[in-house]
Amino acid sequence: GQNIDQPTEMTATEGAIVQINCTYQTSGFNGLFWYQQHAGEAPTFLSYNVLDGLEEKGRFSSFLSRSKGYSYLLLKELQMKDSASYLCAVMDSNYQLIWGAGTKLIIKP
Amino acid sequence: GAVVSQHPSWVICKSGTSVKIECRSLDFQATTMFWYRQFPKQSLMLMATSNEGSKATYEQGVEKDKFLINHASLTLSTLTVTSAHPEDSSFYICSARLVRTFQETQYFGPGTRLLVL
Repeated sequence: GQNIDQPTEMTATEGAIVQINCTYQTSGFNGLFWYQQHAGEAPTFLSYNVLDGLEEKGRFSSFLSRSKGYSYLLLKELQMKDSASYLCAVMDSNYQLIWGAGTKLIIKP
Repeated sequence: GAVVSQHPSWVICKSGTSVKIECRSLDFQATTMFWYRQFPKQSLMLMATSNEGSKATYEQGVEKDKFLINHASLTLSTLTVTSAHPEDSSFYICSARLVRTFQETQYFGPGTRLLVL
């Protein structure tokens, strides 16, 4: 079966760095996505990785290792507004997105 | 770019009525759109894949006669919840697939909150 695993909840301190991990097992791979979802809102696109390595975009970076079926989202200089759920999703061989359950990130002052 | 709108953002209706939700890609053409449902504190659940000019593909357990999907143009897909009941109350979110060279991304609409009384 297809499976995406990510921690349910994480807590971090304002100004710090946090890494949210995602492991996956899917039928085929056409890229991995990270989305941010604030409570009561729709997800917003953060990043896309299809090749191994690190993609940096401002305070957010995303890493992919296809051989390990592993990705992480790195958030630096955390701000209170970063409190949200972070969704990992993998596009399978049918170009369908397989969604993780999301990681709720709580930022404390 | 890559803006997706949804209308309405909020709807309250009586049990037994039908509700139509529109999803539009504002600055790109989307041959494929997706409809999701999300209950409070739960993950996104894909309901169906909407393809322009053809019938939608429904996920297992989703009643196609209850959730009617029409993707009549490259920028518009509609979801109609027929004979809505309180258990259909949820957050309905659409997304549109944008295909660029070497990348394919889904962009989400802002969602529609449905409350069935």
